[in-house]
Amino acid sequence: DIQMTQSPSSLSASVGERVTITCRTSQIISTYLNWYQQKPGKAPKVLISATSSLQSGVPSRFSGSGSGTDFTLTISSLQPEDIATYYCQQRYNIPYTFGQGTKLEIK
Amino acid sequence: EVQLLESGGGLVQPGGSLRLSCAASGFTFSSYAMTWVRQAPGKGLEWVSLISAAGGNTYYADSVKGRFTFSRDNSKNTIYLQMNSLRAEDTAVFYCARSSAYAFDFWGQGTMVTVSS
Repeated sequence: DIQMTQSPSSLSASVGERVTITCRTSQIISTYLNWYQQKPGKAPKVLISATSSLQSGVPSRFSGSGSGTDFTLTISSLQPEDIATYYCQQRYNIPYTFGQGTKLEIK
Repeated sequence: EVQLLESGGGLVQPGGSLRLSCAASGFTFSSYAMTWVRQAPGKGLEWVSLISAAGGNTYYADSVKGRFTFSRDNSKNTIYLQMNSLRAEDTAVFYCARSSAYAFDFWGQGTMVTVSS
């Protein structure tokens, strides 16, 4: 199975700050990497698919990059509504493993 | 509008069985693979199973293989997860989701499964 390592596991940042979350995979997965946002008590929502493709309706302050085994989710200017837990997921091999999550809070 | 509505969750004793359903609407159901993802209380997301669009192929996480069976009825736009030999560690919110080419692009609201005596 492909192991997913997200960092940090939690993050506190100020409104307007640039935030970066990283995801490292245990083997090369090309660009088959997705990012999901989950707000408390809600279902996850896909933000970015295939490493950098922003889903319809997702604000442009979210972006994704990377390839191979190292990937990044960036929020260019943190907004209060971005408070959530973020998960990366690989779609390269079954089982489609998720990272352990990054809990983002406002400072 | 794509909608996915899970049902069938509840409290079950260890060793018991439960069948989850997920009714889909708002898209051509028979054109999409579907998947189940679960989340134990306070924990992260765990992929559970996936079924191909026509239902001919199913895939399972090792943690549920041999105990869970994923099926679909394309005439009813519904997927099912038959869960047998349930264990305490199966306690979780179970989400159904549509599987597009790259991601799980639409999710249901989830149904809670609690395995406890």
